[in-house]
Amino acid sequence: RKEVEQDPGPFNVPEGATVAFNCTYSNSASQSFFWYRQDCRKEPKLLMSVYSSGNEDGRFTAQLNRASQYISLLIRDSKLSDSATYLCVVNGEGDYKLSFGAGTTVTVRA
Amino acid sequence: EAGVTQFPSHSVIEKGQTVTLRCDPISGHDNLYWYRRVMGKEIKFLLHFVKESKQDESGMPNNRFLAERTGGTYSTLKVQPAELEDSGVYFCASSPLWAGGTDTQYFGPGTRLTVL
Repeated sequence: RKEVEQDPGPFNVPEGATVAFNCTYSNSASQSFFWYRQDCRKEPKLLMSVYSSGNEDGRFTAQLNRASQYISLLIRDSKLSDSATYLCVVNGEGDYKLSFGAGTTVTVRA
Repeated sequence: EAGVTQFPSHSVIEKGQTVTLRCDPISGHDNLYWYRRVMGKEIKFLLHFVKESKQDESGMPNNRFLAERTGGTYSTLKVQPAELEDSGVYFCASSPLWAGGTDTQYFGPGTRLTVL
């Protein structure tokens, strides 16, 4: 079983739409959770950390459900520039190594 | 502030040859990591340095891979001899040294390695 599983998509949405997707993780001892964004042939960049209480950063909202071991990301009012692959990333307590999902591809069309 | 840099950006070599990848972390970052993404798969951890010491090399696929970080600054990852399955994108990341916790890892642009 993969450590982090994501729906690969692609999610093809019009500008202004809301898009949401999840990932699940297998290690119940995981302590830190992140969404990274990766543009084509570029490096992953941190989009946001995910906290137990849920958190919001502008048009992006992340939720964590520890009981069900899943993490979600919601993008409101999608922009063309939101087109990218979104990587769900997890690591364990004191464990520096990150475990990545394979990514969810989002394409926002005009 | 300069980000993580990697060299070369691309490398095409033949099976059996040797390749050395270099990573320069963000200045002052004691943690340095190597990751790799092979075709169609997720990014996978290779190893972690704290300063010049290997903290965790559990992700290194085999003894054809050798990572070094002499002096605790830049790091090199040597593949010798390269095999076809080593093709992929090799990412380096760095983060500050914070006791007892994890911090954001900043990724370099990657080295795209193709073994023919």
